[in-house]
Amino acid sequence: DAGVTQSPTHLIKTRGQQVTLRCSPKSGHDTVSWYQQALGQGPQFIFQYYEEEERQRGNFPDRFSGHQFPNYSSELNVNALLLGDSALYLCASSPDRGTTNTEAFFGQGTRLTVV
Amino acid sequence: AQSVSQHNHHVILSEAASLELGCNYSYGGTVNLFWYVQYPGQHLQLLLKYFSGDPLVKGIKGFEAEFIKSKFSFNLRKPSVQWSDTAEYFCAVNAFNAGKSTFGDGTTLTVKP
Repeated sequence: DAGVTQSPTHLIKTRGQQVTLRCSPKSGHDTVSWYQQALGQGPQFIFQYYEEEERQRGNFPDRFSGHQFPNYSSELNVNALLLGDSALYLCASSPDRGTTNTEAFFGQGTRLTVV
Repeated sequence: AQSVSQHNHHVILSEAASLELGCNYSYGGTVNLFWYVQYPGQHLQLLLKYFSGDPLVKGIKGFEAEFIKSKFSFNLRKPSVQWSDTAEYFCAVNAFNAGKSTFGDGTTLTVKP
């Protein structure tokens, strides 16, 4: 049973460009959450997708957007990249957005470097 | 809004020493509590979790944590650390939304052989 898989593992982009990161959730999970982990900090919640809709959002600008597909996989898009967007982007999947007593499983992340 | 505070940014121990990492959270309601570990180059892995019941929870690799509700704390402990425990440790809380957790800034643990 594959866990959470993310692609690509590393990415280098130039300021102003756009980037798309991808995530396949763990089998049986229908909720995908995205996090940004800057160097020396803990993961920060970006948003969560459930039933192909954004259900929760953290304190991130509209340059950050996402999508969830019918097979529950998800994409994170960042437009107009800034140097400060350089970070490890983590995807986490869980079995149900609102279920109590569940845990999220994390992928290995995509390391984004903006130059 | 939830917040999580990990007081120790970097801890250095010798093998066989005992470990305690502090974690305090602020949130007005009931929460689920977690400790994650991130080994170099690896993904976040769950060490242990507290949902309800016995406030002393045991996790993998000999780790345990105690939830003290009155102190809003969830400290991580291990009686005897090994060199292989060198990693970054994160405390996290969520309000019954498994995917939306608030993380602390992490504690880097270095264990000297």
